[in-house]
Amino acid sequence: EVQLVESGGGLVKPGGSLRLSCAASGFTFTHAWMTWVRQAPGKGLEWVGRILSRTSGGGVDYAAPVKGRFTISRDDSKNTLYLQMNSLEAEDTAVYYCASVTYGSGTYPFDYWGQGTLVTVSS
Amino acid sequence: DIQMTQSPSSLSASVGDRVTITCRTSQTISNSLNWYQQIPGKAPKLLIYAASSLQSGVPSRFSGSGSGTDFTLTVSSLQPDDFGTYYCQQSYSAPWTFGQGTKVEIK
Repeated sequence: EVQLVESGGGLVKPGGSLRLSCAASGFTFTHAWMTWVRQAPGKGLEWVGRILSRTSGGGVDYAAPVKGRFTISRDDSKNTLYLQMNSLEAEDTAVYYCASVTYGSGTYPFDYWGQGTLVTVSS
Repeated sequence: DIQMTQSPSSLSASVGDRVTITCRTSQTISNSLNWYQQIPGKAPKLLIYAASSLQSGVPSRFSGSGSGTDFTLTVSSLQPDDFGTYYCQQSYSAPWTFGQGTKVEIK
């Protein structure tokens, strides 16, 4: 059974930092592309960024609002995805989801999702 | 960046109704369009990928169509479990983007 479990959310002051983790199991994480998606309270889904598998080059892409402040990384030995968030702003307050990306179809749907972890940026 | 426009933003329908949600993209994306359902308080769930392929385990009353810039999600006979918000998402080019969502309520 595929499982994605996020952790690391919490309350942080503006300008602060936080690192989210996403522990994966039930599939071959090494070969997986992974993505982060967030959802501000009462709002829609917003794509944050993605990281390719090492065999696909390991490239990383970010959405404009987080580029330069957030860093996505992975530790394949621990089957874990990370989101390092720096210079946090009130607008970053959201539930953060990790998801696996299927890339065999030629498109890239997010087929499995974690339960989400809440990040609140407030003084 | 590719912009996504979903319509309607909300709808209310009865059990058994046929429901259609549309998604338009600002540039052609071939068939790189996916649909998700989100129940309040839950993570999104993949329904349709590659515009028209049904994700494993998703009821056959859900279907998708379209290519290029215009896409449609159809629920052939709305069921009580189908309430929630539906999102389209393009995976043609980064940054991947979502539509603003369509909230479906059951009358």
